Amino acid sequence: DSGVTQTPKHLITATGQRVTLRCSPRSGDLSVYWYQQSLDQGLQFLIQYYNGEERAKGNILERFSAQQFPDLHSELNLSSLELGDSALYFCASSVGDSGRAGETQYFGPGTRLLVL
Amino acid sequence: GQSLEQPSEVTAVEGAIVQINCTYQTSGFYGLSWYQQHDGGAPTFLSYNALDGLEETGRFSSFLSRSDSYGYLLLQELQMKDSASYFCAGPRAARQLTFGSGTQLTVLP
Repeated sequence: DSGVTQTPKHLITATGQRVTLRCSPRSGDLSVYWYQQSLDQGLQFLIQYYNGEERAKGNILERFSAQQFPDLHSELNLSSLELGDSALYFCASSVGDSGRAGETQYFGPGTRLLVL
Repeated sequence: GQSLEQPSEVTAVEGAIVQINCTYQTSGFYGLSWYQQHDGGAPTFLSYNALDGLEETGRFSSFLSRSDSYGYLLLQELQMKDSASYFCAGPRAARQLTFGSGTQLTVLP
């Protein structure tokens, strides 16, 4: 158990809908990262927040947005869902802000999203 | 841009030693990490090399050669529970972690 929690574990929805994924980082971690993992794309970095502020953006679609709240939990909002958005969405956390390879990121169990 | 390349699959038997290679093309290099992921599970951190050379953690070791843009993960005394996907990861920018496509390791009895 990494100490990172994500809800829900599974989500089934229809195209065009909007969903919100939630993540609580490990106690004491200030950074939260979101990743998408699909069969054909591997683990793709989406976005990072540090202490409530956006720090880095990866290949995140405009239909997706995220935020980190004062209690440090984070939410990833996915809208106008398409079939191709079906994937595992992981949240990870780390103590600091660097996001560098050397700083261990602790991953949550993921949310499996299925868009029908 | 940055890309990290790994073999897609590796198979070995229990008790053996296996090496998973990772080559990368990047600038602004900060080091190379390795993560393990069991089917459907969360990736878990294994090791990090900031400098050239070998880092050892129990049965796992990781090596980096920055001049060759190359690293590897070495798993010794393989156990069935080591069957998983292994990802090398490196930063694309100061704050981003880019993962390789992963190597599926199958350990046979």
